[in-house]
Amino acid sequence: GAGVSQSPSNKVTEKGKDVELRCDPISGHTALYWYRQSLGQGLEFLIYFQGNSAPDKSGLPSDRFSAERTGGSVSTLTIQRTQQEDSAVYLCASSLDLGVEAFFGQGTRLTVV
Amino acid sequence: GIQVEQSPPDLILQEGANSTLRCNFSDSVNNLQWFHQNPWGQLINLFYIPSGTKQNGRLSATTVATERYSLLYISSSQTTDSGVYFCASGRGETSGSRLTFGEGTQLTVNP
Repeated sequence: GAGVSQSPSNKVTEKGKDVELRCDPISGHTALYWYRQSLGQGLEFLIYFQGNSAPDKSGLPSDRFSAERTGGSVSTLTIQRTQQEDSAVYLCASSLDLGVEAFFGQGTRLTVV
Repeated sequence: GIQVEQSPPDLILQEGANSTLRCNFSDSVNNLQWFHQNPWGQLINLFYIPSGTKQNGRLSATTVATERYSLLYISSSQTTDSGVYFCASGRGETSGSRLTFGEGTQLTVNP
């Protein structure tokens, strides 16, 4: 696509439920990143994927968070047993290769009630 | 990991004024980007500038990699320039490919 596309734009979920957030990167981009931005906070790295290499999961805050990237394209970030502190905007980015200019999607605003 | 510091944290301008935003980073980098986060939360790419100087309309940026800082210049500011400006840097190697973001500069341009 023309840009990084994320869905849904907004998600309200009850505490304890699982949620899946989707990211469709720019066509041809081999690197895909997930970040989150909590209210009034900075941007926190979560995970990145590069081609067929093992992902760098070092930013995932707990084992309730997981992500996969199928076919080197679309990625899904899954949060299990959501907690109120998971409420944030989850941003996805992609780049042509690791370490070059990254482009961000519009984000998914997750609210856990 | 890389530390990124931005200054000032807040800036209030009258429309038409010029401003300079600064980004200091703690280590050598080969990826440096400036973003503008609009009121809807979207991060808009302004510059990819690991070194050198670039200009785009009223905005320009300079990165002095050897001294570990980057500057974003906004001239003749407009109310639509309001928002948060982020600097982000990374080393571009497998272990450092993540972008590390500064805390941002909140810019308000008043009419």
